Amino acid sequence: AQSVTQLGSHVSVSEGALVLLRCNYSSSVPPYLFWYVQYPNQGLQLLLKYTTGATLVKGINGFEAEFKKSETSFHLTKPSAHMSDAAEYFCAVSVNNNNDMRFGAGTRLTVKP
Amino acid sequence: NAGVTQTPKFQVLKTGQSMTLQCAQDMNHNSMYWYRQDPGMGLRLIYYSASEGTTDKGEVPNGYNVSRLNKREFSLRLESAAPSQTSVYFCASKASGPSYNEQFFGPGTRLTVL
Repeated sequence: AQSVTQLGSHVSVSEGALVLLRCNYSSSVPPYLFWYVQYPNQGLQLLLKYTTGATLVKGINGFEAEFKKSETSFHLTKPSAHMSDAAEYFCAVSVNNNNDMRFGAGTRLTVKP
Repeated sequence: NAGVTQTPKFQVLKTGQSMTLQCAQDMNHNSMYWYRQDPGMGLRLIYYSASEGTTDKGEVPNGYNVSRLNKREFSLRLESAAPSQTSVYFCASKASGPSYNEQFFGPGTRLTVL
């Protein structure tokens, strides 16, 4: 089955600094890849997704991610962190539009003033 | 349009008690899901329903049962709760079709089993 590994359970950046959250996937067939964000005591909200086509995907709140097949990666970036970006971020993978979506363990982002 | 709603928001049970978590969606989605979220483990799929009248096991189904009551509602039942089932439970739904691969999540139910 497909799987996801998120490198770093906690990431801390200063306000205005680059945000980089790492995600590597494992899949024997072309994957669908997702980044979700979870604010405290809330459900998950989709940031962006890659299904087919352009490998650089832009999402909400200034985030983007690049699908790199050769590196089996789908890292999430934002050029300039804002205090409101503090949350937990989950990378997820599914294949063939099936119902078995696998999530990474999550990365908690802290933004320092 | 409320999206995905879950009840209750919080629940405390004693070991051995039973309860049902309710989920409803108003987006006319065919597929619905139940996940549990535990620290350091992300979300793990318990059960899903690809369409009304069908249910299938996910990654961690033991100790749970589900019912797809109609297209809108998908419930999760714990017949005899155990402390290991202390978790946050999320319901999600998804439209069918190759272009609609996004799952929409409810706000969660925080369950503690003593």
